[in-house]
Amino acid sequence: EAQVTQNPRYLITVTGKKLTVTCSQNMNHEYMSWYRQDPGLGLRQIYYSMNVEVTDKGDVPEGYKVSRKEKRNFPLILESPSPNQTSLYFCASSGGQGVSYNEQFFGPGTRLTVL
Amino acid sequence: EDKVVQSPLSLVVHEGDTVTLNCSYEVTNFRSLLWYKQEKKAPTFLFMLTSSGIEKKSGRLSSILDKKELFSILNITATQTGDSAIYLCAGIIQGAQKLVFGQGTRLTINP
Repeated sequence: EAQVTQNPRYLITVTGKKLTVTCSQNMNHEYMSWYRQDPGLGLRQIYYSMNVEVTDKGDVPEGYKVSRKEKRNFPLILESPSPNQTSLYFCASSGGQGVSYNEQFFGPGTRLTVL
Repeated sequence: EDKVVQSPLSLVVHEGDTVTLNCSYEVTNFRSLLWYKQEKKAPTFLFMLTSSGIEKKSGRLSSILDKKELFSILNITATQTGDSAIYLCAGIIQGAQKLVFGQGTRLTINP
């Protein structure tokens, strides 16, 4: 089944404790992206990647890192999480053979709480 | 600064009503506008609009883009309770895959 998976789905952590949220897609998509969703603010793009080893900042990259060593994986790293990073995070992918770059397929979301 | 604004933020109607959701944008090097539906989980793609004045249609949903006035509308006719969701629009910046989303419109359809 074609899908974008994220792990973990729920995470409660404490300030300063490094964490990684994994994202994987099995559709051979070239483009992957991370968003955070907060009430009243909609979805805001954190980072995106056009292909392996090609990443770029979105609108709210501060406090986050990403890497794209393989086409299928695009982990989101919070080196020193803070309470203002408490949010719902979505990974998305698109682009490839016969697939428009614009129809992004979203993962199920990761709800992160930083205490 | 690139910005996408949706209105209304919240809308409650009765089943069978027709609704119009609005999306205005100020996006540098604008390429296309996307509409998504978000129920309890991840957003799902509805439409992509690139050309002005050409209506896209899918069942009871339709959408159109006005690139002169910088807005788009999403119409839903004969609404059903299953249409209850948050509807998101996003502008795509030319030459990049940077998306700028609006705040979303929460639509509630009462039986």
